[in-house]
Amino acid sequence: EVQLVESGGDLVQPGRSLRLSCRASGFTFGDYAMGWVRQAPGKGLDWVGFIRSKPYGGTAEYAASVKGRFTISRDDSRSIAYLQMNSLKTEDTAIYFCTRLTTSGWVDSWGQGTLVTVSS
Amino acid sequence: DIVMTQSPDSLAVSLGERATINCKSSQSVLYSSNNKNYLAWYQQKPGQPPKVLIYWASTRESGVPDRFSGSGSGTDFTLTINSLQAEDVAVYYCHQYYNTPNTFGQGTKLEIK
Repeated sequence: EVQLVESGGDLVQPGRSLRLSCRASGFTFGDYAMGWVRQAPGKGLDWVGFIRSKPYGGTAEYAASVKGRFTISRDDSRSIAYLQMNSLKTEDTAIYFCTRLTTSGWVDSWGQGTLVTVSS
Repeated sequence: DIVMTQSPDSLAVSLGERATINCKSSQSVLYSSNNKNYLAWYQQKPGQPPKVLIYWASTRESGVPDRFSGSGSGTDFTLTINSLQAEDVAVYYCHQYYNTPNTFGQGTKLEIK
């Protein structure tokens, strides 16, 4: 059974940094692209970005709203994906979902999410 | 960026009736080389993460009841739920994975009338 478990969500002040982790199990982690989608309280889904698997270059893509501030990385040896968030803004407040992507790009698995609150 | 616009924002349907949700993309998500539409539908129930229902615009994910169906091509897509059940109360999102940045529709909230 595919499992994605996020951790690292917290209350942080604007301008500070936070790193989220996504621990995966139940599948060969290195074979899949991994992504992050967020959802502000009471709002819709917002695509953050994803990182390709190593066979596809291991590179990452980002939404314009987070490009230059957020970095997605992966440790295939530990089956963990990371979301490093710097220069956080109040508008980054959201539940952050870790996602597994199919080769073609749709999301076939979601974690339960971790809450990030950016507030002074 | 491709803008995904869903309609309606919310709808109420009686049990056993049909629900129809539309999704329009600002540009085509049909990839000509493989004739596939890069469009998925997700269901999100309260307090839960989303779950994929449909991909390639019309392919039902394994385990999804056959009362859920997707149709459309190019820029106009529809999610149809036949014979609505109480457990179908949720917010539904379309998602284009044709290019990056991927984008989602704003969501359609489905309730029981």
